[in-house]
Amino acid sequence: DAGVIQSPRHEVTEMGQEVTLRCKPISGHNSLFWYRQTMMRGLELLIYFNNNVPIDDSGMPEDRFSAKMPNASFSTLKIQPSEPRDSAVYFCASSPMGVSEQYFGPGTRLTVT
Amino acid sequence: AQSVTQLDSHVSVSEGTPVLLRCNYSSSYSPSLFWYVQHPNKGLQLLLKYTSAATLVKGINGFEAEFKKSETSFHLTKPSAHMSDAAEYFCVVSEGAGNNRKLIWGLGTSLAVNP
Repeated sequence: DAGVIQSPRHEVTEMGQEVTLRCKPISGHNSLFWYRQTMMRGLELLIYFNNNVPIDDSGMPEDRFSAKMPNASFSTLKIQPSEPRDSAVYFCASSPMGVSEQYFGPGTRLTVT
Repeated sequence: AQSVTQLDSHVSVSEGTPVLLRCNYSSSYSPSLFWYVQHPNKGLQLLLKYTSAATLVKGINGFEAEFKKSETSFHLTKPSAHMSDAAEYFCVVSEGAGNNRKLIWGLGTSLAVNP
């Protein structure tokens, strides 16, 4: 099993630009989670999906952030426009339905200058 | 609502000595508890989990944790630290039921292992 796949691994962009992060969950996993990790706030859950449907997006910080899951094998997290305070590592995780433990991807390190 | 408190933000041990990373949780019912490890510039890896079976849970790399309901604790231990154990460790509790479960994360404990 390839595990959770995220791309890109690193992204450097200028303030105001649109950023799209991508995630492919483990095959057969029905739940997908997007997290953000910073030194100041630690690990924060942004949004999660069950069977491609967003269940809880209360962690999405602002309307600049949006996430989609068009099918069971792909999800995107978009920031538009990006700001320097969005600089963080963004993790995607997946899990089988009804199972608590989550399996994480390697993360995308985003730097907004 | 569930919560998790990791009692130490930093722990430093010498190689070959025991490791103890402390975690207390708050939960209104029998929780599922986890420890995750994050090595520098890496993703998060599940170390071990407790899901209401045996109270002493064994994980990878020689780590284990004991669920103590009376103390609401789930401390992580290892008899002998190795240099490769230097990492950030997160105690986690599962919130919700059925298909709507979220993980509630502690702030992490940074483990340093000195030669």
